[in-house]
Amino acid sequence: AQSVTQLGSHVSVSEGALVLLRCNYSSSVPPYLFWYVQYPNQGLQLLLKYTSAATLVKGINGFEAEFKKSETSFHLTKPSAHMSDAAEYFCAVSSLISGYSTLTFGKGTMLLVSP
Amino acid sequence: DAGVTQSPTHLIKTRGQHVTLRCSPISGHKSVSWYQQVLGQGPQFIFQYYEKEERGRGNFPDRFSARQFPNYSSELNVNALLLGDSALYLCASSLYGVFFGQGTRLTVV
Repeated sequence: AQSVTQLGSHVSVSEGALVLLRCNYSSSVPPYLFWYVQYPNQGLQLLLKYTSAATLVKGINGFEAEFKKSETSFHLTKPSAHMSDAAEYFCAVSSLISGYSTLTFGKGTMLLVSP
Repeated sequence: DAGVTQSPTHLIKTRGQHVTLRCSPISGHKSVSWYQQVLGQGPQFIFQYYEKEERGRGNFPDRFSARQFPNYSSELNVNALLLGDSALYLCASSLYGVFFGQGTRLTVV
């Protein structure tokens, strides 16, 4: 079975500060990894995905994530936080089960950005 | 192009009732999945359909059922609603990536 652990249910940063959201995964096969963002009362928007190409993945809105196999990690970063980044972020791993794939999500990390 | 669309956006039901949620995938996407997101948790997989056939089912009771139509739209049905079924229900369509709709917020009272 595959699983995702997101460290920290809430992360607070000041506007302009570095954003670091942590994600560790467990997978018995080479994983596909995703970060999604969810604004209040909204669905999930794909930020970026890792599909075994480059280990450093660039996404939308200035976010990027680095796949580290040795650490089983896929942490999300952004050099400078903006107020509009305040949202909940979910890390997910794609699981291939009996010929079809599904997403297994972490519990999410709420990013709070203060002025 | 329109994204994944879900209806209704909000719904309030009483315990024991039945509910039907609807989803239209992105044009050209033949796979539709349903997820349940309880407050404070990540989404959990319920069903996946491809070409009108059920491909997979998560760990949910038989009260949950779904189907996919020839135009690839899908319905999620939940019978005998419990308070614990209150959640955001997300539909996703996939081709080269998984794209989610805005969800249906179901409240069971």
